[in-house]
Amino acid sequence: KAGVTQTPRYLIKTRGQQVTLSCSPISGHRSVSWYQQTPGQGLQFLFEYFSETQRNKGNFPGRFSGRQFSNSRSEMNVSTLELGDSALYLCASSLDEGGREKLFFGSGTQLSVL
Amino acid sequence: GQNIDQPTEMTATEGAIVQINCTYQTSGFNGLFWYQQHAGEAPTFLSYNVLDGLEEKGRFSSFLSRSKGYSYLLLKELQMKDSASYLCAVNDQAGTALIFGKGTTLSVSS
Repeated sequence: KAGVTQTPRYLIKTRGQQVTLSCSPISGHRSVSWYQQTPGQGLQFLFEYFSETQRNKGNFPGRFSGRQFSNSRSEMNVSTLELGDSALYLCASSLDEGGREKLFFGSGTQLSVL
Repeated sequence: GQNIDQPTEMTATEGAIVQINCTYQTSGFNGLFWYQQHAGEAPTFLSYNVLDGLEEKGRFSSFLSRSKGYSYLLLKELQMKDSASYLCAVNDQAGTALIFGKGTTLSVSS
């Protein structure tokens, strides 16, 4: 069974640009969530999608957005990039909506903003 | 506010036992997770506690006290491959969103 797949693996952008990251969950998983990981703040929750609906949202500005498609694949978008957006962006999928299921993480997209 | 605290770094030697503590203050509680993350890799699930008590799984055990807002991860018979970051996380609402601590970097030496 394939794991969570994130593309691209690495990305370099400049300030002011926008970026779209992609995530394909494990087959059969309907919940997809996104996290930002930085050395100073650790893992911080961005948002969660279930059946194409955003169920929860973290404390990030509106420049961060996402969506989920009918096949459960998800994308997140960051507009007007800032230097502080440089981070590892992790996607995780889960089997159901109970919140008691473990998350399976992808390898992440390392974003560098210059 | 939401807060999860764990030590930043710990060191131990091969074959030893180490306990990584985690304290939390969250508005809700649906369970506490421990994840392991090796450098440059994705976090992987270690354990889940929702009721008070000890959950044992091989060399790893996790304990929870909901009244004290406290958990620990116990690693026995340490091996070099256990050198990693250990993340404590709480699910505080409906859904799968987790609040993570900043992680404890464990270094195991021979």
